[in-house]
Amino acid sequence: AQKITQTQPGMFVQEKEAVTLDCTYDTSDPSYGLFWYKQPSSGEMIFLIYQGSYDQQNATEGRYSLNFQKARKSANLVISASQLGDSAMYFCATFNTNAGKSTFGDGTTLTVKP
Amino acid sequence: DTEVTQTPKHLVMGMTNKKSLKCEQHMGHRAMYWYKQKAKKPPELMFVYSYEKLSINESVPSRFSPECPNSSLLNLHLHALQPEDSALYLCASSPGVAWVYEQYFGPGTRLTVT
Repeated sequence: AQKITQTQPGMFVQEKEAVTLDCTYDTSDPSYGLFWYKQPSSGEMIFLIYQGSYDQQNATEGRYSLNFQKARKSANLVISASQLGDSAMYFCATFNTNAGKSTFGDGTTLTVKP
Repeated sequence: DTEVTQTPKHLVMGMTNKKSLKCEQHMGHRAMYWYKQKAKKPPELMFVYSYEKLSINESVPSRFSPECPNSSLLNLHLHALQPEDSALYLCASSPGVAWVYEQYFGPGTRLTVT
């Protein structure tokens, strides 16, 4: 079974500051990937960043980085230099749709304050 | 081009109507998905098509009928829906169904059943 836990229903951050969104996971799969998505109020799910279970280094994509701690089963998203446009719902997810698994956390609503 | 398109953007239908949602991708992806998302909840996987064949049907009621006419198109036929089926319906695609692949989502169709 797969489970993703996001313990922060809502987060606030000041514009230009960094923020960390938490994600812990539980999976019995020996290999897995962890994904972060952003969903603005418009509804579209936007892929942000990916971390594979075998990756030795933490993933980075522009202002997004992933703090991956395999032993703790955590994959936290770090957004640096927050912008007003970062205000959205953020989901952590893992997929193994070959086995019928597509698991999302409950999401964190991030609000960036000017 | 990482675009998945969906039509219509909004749909209002009565419980006796028949309608279809359409999804298209031109990224050469071989897997396509339908998700249902209620407000402030994570997406729930409904169907998985892999190489144009239905591979996963997550116990979805028969009033939802998916169709994959070719590798670029995915339809969701709706018939005799219930008010509780009102939700955002998201289409997604990925290069394959293995755990390493990110899914690219369309903007969604907001469905209201009256």
